[in-house]
Amino acid sequence: AQKITQTQPGMFVQEKEAVTLDCTYDTSDQSYGLFWYKQPSSGEMIFLIYQGSYDEQNATEGRYSLNFQKARKSANLVISASQLGDSAMYFCAMRLRGYQKVTFGTGTKLQVIP
Amino acid sequence: DTAVSQTPKYLVTQMGNDKSIKCEQNLGHDTMYWYKQDSKKFLKIMFSYNNKELIINETVPNRFSPKSPDKAHLNLHINSLELGDSAVYFCASSPMRGDPSKNTQYFGPGTRLTVL
Repeated sequence: AQKITQTQPGMFVQEKEAVTLDCTYDTSDQSYGLFWYKQPSSGEMIFLIYQGSYDEQNATEGRYSLNFQKARKSANLVISASQLGDSAMYFCAMRLRGYQKVTFGTGTKLQVIP
Repeated sequence: DTAVSQTPKYLVTQMGNDKSIKCEQNLGHDTMYWYKQDSKKFLKIMFSYNNKELIINETVPNRFSPKSPDKAHLNLHINSLELGDSAVYFCASSPMRGDPSKNTQYFGPGTRLTVL
């Protein structure tokens, strides 16, 4: 069975500062993908970034980067230079190889303070 | 340009009614999904179809019946609506190529269902 844990229900960050959102996962599979999604107050789910379990480099997409530590089974999202528009719920998710189901964490609500 | 679309965006109805939510994707993806997001924002998969074939059917009451007329459409029909069905329902799609763990899901805008 696979499980995603996001231990921070809510976080605050000052505008222009960097913030790290935590995500740990549990699986005995060696091949899997990790995803982060953003859900603003408008409700849509926006894909942010992907990390494969065999990727040697940490994924980056603009101001988003994924701090992947395979031995610790963590896949933290780092947002650099926070903007007011970053205020949203953030979900970590995992999909195993050969399995269509994606498991989501419970989310972290990020609020950016001006 | 909309990649994954859902209709309606809002649905308010009485207990006991039957309702449908429609989903369409123009991304050429093979796999489509229905998720339910409850009031605590927990996102749970309900169903998944690959090329019109049901491949995931989580523990969902049989009042919920998905239908996929073609691989670009996945509709959700709900019979005898109950108060506990109130939630946001998301449709999503993803490609089915190579290693599935690499295939990103793209979500529709969601349908907020309120059962009175």
